[in-house]
Amino acid sequence: DIQMTQSPSTLSASLGDRVTITCRASQSISSWLAWYQQRPGKAPKLLIYKASILESGVPSRFSGSGSGTEFSLTISSLQPDDFAIYYCQQYDNYSLTFGGGTKVEIK
Amino acid sequence: QVQLVESGGGVVQPGKSLRLSCAASGFDFSGYGMHWVRQAPGKGLEWVSLIWYDGSNKDYADSVKGRFTISRDKSKNTVYLQMNNLRAEDTAVYYCAREGKWEMTSGGIKGVFDYWGQGSLVTVSS
Repeated sequence: DIQMTQSPSTLSASLGDRVTITCRASQSISSWLAWYQQRPGKAPKLLIYKASILESGVPSRFSGSGSGTEFSLTISSLQPDDFAIYYCQQYDNYSLTFGGGTKVEIK
Repeated sequence: QVQLVESGGGVVQPGKSLRLSCAASGFDFSGYGMHWVRQAPGKGLEWVSLIWYDGSNKDYADSVKGRFTISRDKSKNTVYLQMNNLRAEDTAVYYCAREGKWEMTSGGIKGVFDYWGQGSLVTVSS
């Protein structure tokens, strides 16, 4: 199975901050990488797919980049709704695997 | 609008069985692969199983292979997860998810979870 490693596991930031979350794959997955946001008690929500394509309706402050084994999710200016857990996920092959998650919390 | 509604969760003893259902609406059910993804309490996300749009192919995580069976009924727009020989480590919220944004590649169909249900809690405990 492809292992997905996210860092950091927790990120403390303030409103308006620019934050970046990193995701590393144990082998190349080309651009088959998605990012999800999960708020407490809710189902995950798709933010970005194919490494950099913004899902419809997702604010433009979210962006994704990378290919191969190194990927990142950036929030350009943190808003109140953005305090949540973020997961990366590879869909290059099965078993589909997720990163361990990054909790973005209020500083 | 797309809706996925899970049902069938509950408390079950180790070694027993349970069947989850996921009723889909708002889209052409027969045109999409469907997945189950679970999340143990306080933990991350784990992919469980996939069924292709036409039911012709299925796949499972190693942790559930041989115990869980996925199926779908196009007449009811519903996907199922039959869970047998349940273990304590199967305790989780189970989400069904649609495979969207898919592309056909030389390496197979590649899609993401573009819609999720609200989740159904399964607790395995004596």
